[in-house]
Amino acid sequence: QKEVEQNSGPLSVPEGAIASLNCTYSDRGSQSFFWYRQYSGKSPELIMSIYSNGDKEDGRFTAQLNKASQYVSLLIRDSQPSDSATYLCAVSANSGYALNFGKGTSLLVTP
Amino acid sequence: DAEITQSPRHKITETGRQVTLACHQTWNHNNMFWYRQDLGHGLRLIHYSYGVQDTNKGEVSDGYSVSRSNTEDLPLTLESAASSQTSVYFCASSDNPNEKLFFGSGTQLSVL
Repeated sequence: QKEVEQNSGPLSVPEGAIASLNCTYSDRGSQSFFWYRQYSGKSPELIMSIYSNGDKEDGRFTAQLNKASQYVSLLIRDSQPSDSATYLCAVSANSGYALNFGKGTSLLVTP
Repeated sequence: DAEITQSPRHKITETGRQVTLACHQTWNHNNMFWYRQDLGHGLRLIHYSYGVQDTNKGEVSDGYSVSRSNTEDLPLTLESAASSQTSVYFCASSDNPNEKLFFGSGTQLSVL
């Protein structure tokens, strides 16, 4: 079983701070990497995707990928209370297999 | 607007009964997936399909079955419901199996 590991948290950060979420994966053949946000009682929604090593920025969100270290991270700048949610890391292999999800990290942004 | 809908939103059933959860998408996606989500386990893949008449087992397929007779629908059947199958079930679809998933709103299933 290909594994995707995340710290379950909760990760607590004050409003306006940078939240850093981390994810490691076991399959070296993984090609596509995603971060989903899930509010309590709701379905996951995609916030970032990344496919090559380096950083990818979208507004307050930055995804970072290091394939050599099998590590992907999500930075949330200027964190807001509305960012409080569970963040799911998802990884797919080049074989076309379905996305494999981590267990999620719970983020709490305190006013 | 295209969408993916699941029904019912909530279901209570008894141990041993057959249960079918519906999933219907109007994205015209070939790829459809069923996941279950449990506290402490995250999202786990049950079954998936890459097109009509194609079905594949996922990580936790025991006790579940699917069939794909058209592009729009992938119903999930619990042959004989067990208490261990109490969970939130999410259906999802995508245009490419490695790409963004569009999720339904989920079905909360309780097996008593």
